[in-house]
Amino acid sequence: GAVVSQHPSRVICKSGTSVKIECRSLDFQATTMFWYRQFPKQSLMLMATSNEGSKATYEQGVEKDKFLINHASLTLSTLTVTSAHPEDSSFYICSAHDRAQETQYFGPGTRLLVL
Amino acid sequence: GESVGLHLPTLSVQEGDNSIINCAYSNSASDYFIWYKQESGKGPQFIIDIRSNMDKRQGQRVTVLLNKTVKHLSLQIAATQPGDSAVYFCAENYSGGYQKVTFGIGTKLQVIP
Repeated sequence: GAVVSQHPSRVICKSGTSVKIECRSLDFQATTMFWYRQFPKQSLMLMATSNEGSKATYEQGVEKDKFLINHASLTLSTLTVTSAHPEDSSFYICSAHDRAQETQYFGPGTRLLVL
Repeated sequence: GESVGLHLPTLSVQEGDNSIINCAYSNSASDYFIWYKQESGKGPQFIIDIRSNMDKRQGQRVTVLLNKTVKHLSLQIAATQPGDSAVYFCAENYSGGYQKVTFGIGTKLQVIP
């Protein structure tokens, strides 16, 4: 089946620094990718929709200047958490839509800890 | 931000018994529904899906039932195994919503050996 990878799998950073998370579709092209955030014992909350070659669409309450999304190719989307603070510590999960299979595949997630 | 003290609903079942996990969805316009399994520290894993023109769909050891009248979805797992222990999420999608999937709150399934 289709595979979506994320890198890094976990990252620890200091408050005020920026962190970039990559999401790759490994054997299919994804014009649309999604970024989710999940806090402990909670559900996945959609942050934004990443569209190849165009600007991302952010959900209500998500700061676009803080969570920068770039979808420069059909297999790669990146999420940059700028000026990270401890409250940004969370599990960030991406998914990629395989148009041919009409299915969304999820990545393994990235655990971010901001000290 | 993080909600301190929030606990997922938990369902405990004996190994070998059948499990039924329920979900209420919110958008009456949703026409595609998915069940995901999430193990600790991992991303969601697709289990089974159903479109709104169906009310039942069966997979290997799993069955999904859809009741559009009351906006209710259930996942039945037959002969539950220890490896089924995980958090299960239902998710809904509206085909006019550009593949955007909205997740429910999740249910933690604990299988007692």
